[in-house]
Amino acid sequence: GAVVSQHPSWVICKSGTSVKIECRSLDFQATTMFWYRQFPKQSLMLMATSNEGSKATYEQGVEKDKFLINHASLTLSTLTVTSAHPEDSSFYICSAIYRGGTDTQYFGPGTRLTVL
Amino acid sequence: QKEVEQDPGPLSVPEGAIVSLNCTYSNSAFQYFMWYRQYSRKGPELLMYTYSSGNKEDGRFTAQVDKSSKYISLFIRDSQPSDSATYLCAMSAGSGGSYIPTFGRGTSLIVHP
Repeated sequence: GAVVSQHPSWVICKSGTSVKIECRSLDFQATTMFWYRQFPKQSLMLMATSNEGSKATYEQGVEKDKFLINHASLTLSTLTVTSAHPEDSSFYICSAIYRGGTDTQYFGPGTRLTVL
Repeated sequence: QKEVEQDPGPLSVPEGAIVSLNCTYSNSAFQYFMWYRQYSRKGPELLMYTYSSGNKEDGRFTAQVDKSSKYISLFIRDSQPSDSATYLCAMSAGSGGSYIPTFGRGTSLIVHP
């Protein structure tokens, strides 16, 4: 149990285009989902916290107009990188908290974004 | 000082060795302690979850929490090459504070045959 999926697993796009990444909790309802960014050999950097049906809470320094987060249901959250630039190239990982359980986060497999 | 300190390594050990991975922290409100394993280009995978102080064992893995010293450890017995990965510690205050965990930067472990 507690499986989180992400789609796509990797994506290459041209500078200026927008990219949408989906995060789904497959076998549980997630009260809260998180979006992280990770650079090579670096730890996870929390970008935003997303609760179902409400606006995401962004960490300091993260542009909310650039990284659009939608948490439409208890099993789906999306991250849209708008007008992507090469500096947005990174590994994006989502995670979800199991509703009614502990504070344990279950992570998706990650999405590698490369912006040309 | 960071809230959670973790030596990035790399830590290189021979197959069969006992591995000790550690984190220290400064926030006394932390009550939930987790260890994740992350293979290259993959999402972190939960290994161990511990509430408050004490030990927890699961197969070859043992997690220890010493809240008085603000120190947590993960021990891996009979280490295997497949254990080669980055190990991240994480901790949160839970209902007593923030449920959003704070992560260490991860320790890179290499188990060579």
